[in-house]
Amino acid sequence: GDSVTQMEGPVTLSEEAFLTINCTYTATGYPSLFWYVQYPGEGLQLLLKATKADDKGSNKGFEATYRKETTSFHLEKGSVQVSDSAVYFCARINAGGTSYGKLTFGQGTILTVHP
Amino acid sequence: DTEVTQTPKHLVMGMTNKKSLKCEQHMGHRAMYWYKQKAKKPPELMFVYSYEKLSINESVPSRFSPECPNSSLLNLHLHALQPEDSALYLCASSGPTGVGGNTIYFGEGSWLTVV
Repeated sequence: GDSVTQMEGPVTLSEEAFLTINCTYTATGYPSLFWYVQYPGEGLQLLLKATKADDKGSNKGFEATYRKETTSFHLEKGSVQVSDSAVYFCARINAGGTSYGKLTFGQGTILTVHP
Repeated sequence: DTEVTQTPKHLVMGMTNKKSLKCEQHMGHRAMYWYKQKAKKPPELMFVYSYEKLSINESVPSRFSPECPNSSLLNLHLHALQPEDSALYLCASSGPTGVGGNTIYFGEGSWLTVV
């Protein structure tokens, strides 16, 4: 079945460090891929998305590229801030059919950024 | 700007109470969802409504009863809940699916505590 695997956390970084959170997905169908972020005590916010191979999603300095050959969608940011501390979820969804509305999430990665 | 509004933000209820969670979106989306999220875990899909009709019920206990009065509103009626039902309940919505999939937008969630 469909699945998403994220790197184990938690991840602790100093401010201005480079961030990579790895994400791989199963290649069934033609999935769209997403990164969601959840700040403490809040709901999920869409951070970025990519809908086809080689698409690059970007937002707030974060980037991720849809890599079909490696079935990966790694999240990167060149210089993290304390305000980036949150839980990050990688997710996939198939286009239409019986999987309509079924987001498959990774297990989430807790990021803590220290001043 | 995307916006899914949920009320109440916090709810404490006894095991014999009847309460409801409410969700509203004004993005013209025709699919709406309820997800349940336990601490430090990814959200789990409960229900999907497509064009105001229930299309997916992920084997949710009958003490949770969804209702979609119109294309903008989604309710979750709660009755005879158990303490293990305490969680963050997330409402979400999306546009029509198609090639490339759809994007699901979440609300801020309702924090439910069952005592």
